[in-house]
Amino acid sequence: AQRVTQPEKLLSVFKGAPVELKCNYSYSGSPELFWYVQYSRQRLQLLLRHISRESIKGFTADLNKGETSFHLKKPFAQEEDSAMYYCALKPSNAGNMLTFGGGTRLMVKP
Amino acid sequence: GAVVSQHPSWVICKSGTSVKIECRSLDFQATTMFWYRQFPKQSLMLMATSNEGSKATYEQGVEKDKFLINHASLTLSTLTVTSAHPEDSSFYICSAPRAGSYNEQFFGPGTRLTVL
Repeated sequence: AQRVTQPEKLLSVFKGAPVELKCNYSYSGSPELFWYVQYSRQRLQLLLRHISRESIKGFTADLNKGETSFHLKKPFAQEEDSAMYYCALKPSNAGNMLTFGGGTRLMVKP
Repeated sequence: GAVVSQHPSWVICKSGTSVKIECRSLDFQATTMFWYRQFPKQSLMLMATSNEGSKATYEQGVEKDKFLINHASLTLSTLTVTSAHPEDSSFYICSAPRAGSYNEQFFGPGTRLTVL
């Protein structure tokens, strides 16, 4: 079975500092990896997916199959980035089912 | 963007009663919807996959007789918590993938259930 691990429950940085939210996964096949974000009092929403290799709101994430990681990075954190971030995996043979990591709360201090 | 709604947004009920939660895809059809449970300060745990026109698929450890799922149409799935008990109190979230190049999943706002 697949598993997603986010080792940090809370990450606190100052505005303008670089941010890296860690995500590691275990899955024997070729997964799709996603980052979802949940701002305060809002629903969960997709931030980015590894397939599209895009940068959203300054965030990027690279799938490293050798290290089975999909860390989320941003060079300069903003206060509005404060939110819960969830890494999620979609197995290649499980339709649209997602397995979520435990989540990391990012706090960006002024 | 696509919208998924849930109703009610919160509900308080007495122990032993049943509670129905609705999940609707407002501007797209979804043959599959997913139900998650989220405890305070914890992640989303997949409970079951709701399939339009067929039985739901439950994750290991989830009682199908306790959490009844009905995918009545291509835009509506319901989760009924039967004979609710205080340990069923939680935040229930549904999601629906919209067909497309990535089948992106859209999440509902969640329903907070409190069982007294």
